[in-house]
Amino acid sequence: GENVEQHPSTLSVQEGDSAVIKCTYSDSASNYFPWYKQELGKGPQLIIDIRSNVGEKKDQRIAVTLNKTAKHFSLHITETQPEDSAVYFCAASLAGKSTFGDGTTLTVKP
Amino acid sequence: GAGVSQSPRYKVTKRGQDVALRCDPISGHVSLYWYRQALGQGPEFLTYFNYEAQQDKSGLPNDRFSAERPEGSISTLTIQRTEQRDSAMYRCASSLKGARETQYFGPGTRLLVL
Repeated sequence: GENVEQHPSTLSVQEGDSAVIKCTYSDSASNYFPWYKQELGKGPQLIIDIRSNVGEKKDQRIAVTLNKTAKHFSLHITETQPEDSAVYFCAASLAGKSTFGDGTTLTVKP
Repeated sequence: GAGVSQSPRYKVTKRGQDVALRCDPISGHVSLYWYRQALGQGPEFLTYFNYEAQQDKSGLPNDRFSAERPEGSISTLTIQRTEQRDSAMYRCASSLKGARETQYFGPGTRLLVL
């Protein structure tokens, strides 16, 4: 089955700096890669996603890149703000079945 | 509008009892997913439905776990003869249609098996 590894497990940055979270996956058939933000006591919320036929996608301060050959994808957050502090999960999906990474706890220090 | 709702929010039960967890998806959403999330980990896929049809149940840990969505809307995840290792947060999500649409997660049901 699919296996997703996510790094780093914790990330602390200064407000205004950039944050990068990386994930690798094992099943080359996976074709959809969402990223979720989970705040304390809440369910995961989709922040951006990318499909396998696209190499990069950007939405304001958030961007995701996908390298299908290397089977890795990354989340980039620029100009971080304290409200970006949360746990972030990547996932690799195929035919409705999503495999999640173990999460990255991002702390943005004001 | 109303998001995904789950009930109960908290469930404490004794080992060996059966429990039923309910998920009410966003109105009109075709696809419904069940996950289990342990503390400090990402959600773990259990099963998913399109309409009333169970498309994939490969993530259900064993035959004590079952799920249904008889009318293509509300879904129930049932755990029979609960064990302490079943204690976790159980999350439901729904999407408009299909596997590559945005999944909206519910608040979860925290299950504690004593």
